[in-house]
Amino acid sequence: GESVGLHLPTLSVQEGDNSIINCAYSNSASDYFIWYKQESGKGPQFIIDIRSNMDKRQGQRVTVLLNKTVKHLSLQIAATQPGDSAVYFCAENRSPGRRALTFGSGTRLQVQP
Amino acid sequence: DSGVTQTPKHLITATGQRVTLRCSPRSGDLSVYWYQQSLDQGLQFLIQYYNGEERAKGNILERFSAQQFPDLHSELNLSSLELGDSALYFCASSAGLRPSDTQYFGPGTRLTVL
Repeated sequence: GESVGLHLPTLSVQEGDNSIINCAYSNSASDYFIWYKQESGKGPQFIIDIRSNMDKRQGQRVTVLLNKTVKHLSLQIAATQPGDSAVYFCAENRSPGRRALTFGSGTRLQVQP
Repeated sequence: DSGVTQTPKHLITATGQRVTLRCSPRSGDLSVYWYQQSLDQGLQFLIQYYNGEERAKGNILERFSAQQFPDLHSELNLSSLELGDSALYFCASSAGLRPSDTQYFGPGTRLTVL
């Protein structure tokens, strides 16, 4: 498949371990945040989102934490599986009403069997 | 499968040429977004259409233009192509205009300018 972002930071974890992927954002007016997963040769796939009036949201095997004080977003993946290997992007809606997303540079997650 | 389709999957062309990328949104979605993904710039928002009208513009060059047709499919036109335009171009669609309307991405078009 095609590689995107050959110089991305990489997180390498063992299968079955929990993964934590971090993202810093800069705009305190951002009101909505999303995590996307991009596998090689595919488009970004929605994982989970969170509004700025929340600090935690859980999905299936994934949890997003939002710390507005330090403008930090994290994605936790429980019991990481080989199929979780991908590039993960955080995205933010940088101002209320603005409809376009601003994407972070991404983190590559490699799951070792 | 997100339900968003893009054609062609790959496109190879020469500098100075013009190409058209096509996107069909998910059934029922009225918003279409175009993004460019290159190795050194990451995912960059280009332009958004809603129900045929342009609604937001990002880092889109003047050489690039887009439109959304009455059947809601969209085309991105890239002209006077330069080597630096080589990238993945993604289309995304969402139901409406709210930021919280999830954007679903298509598989992308890989453009190579030689």
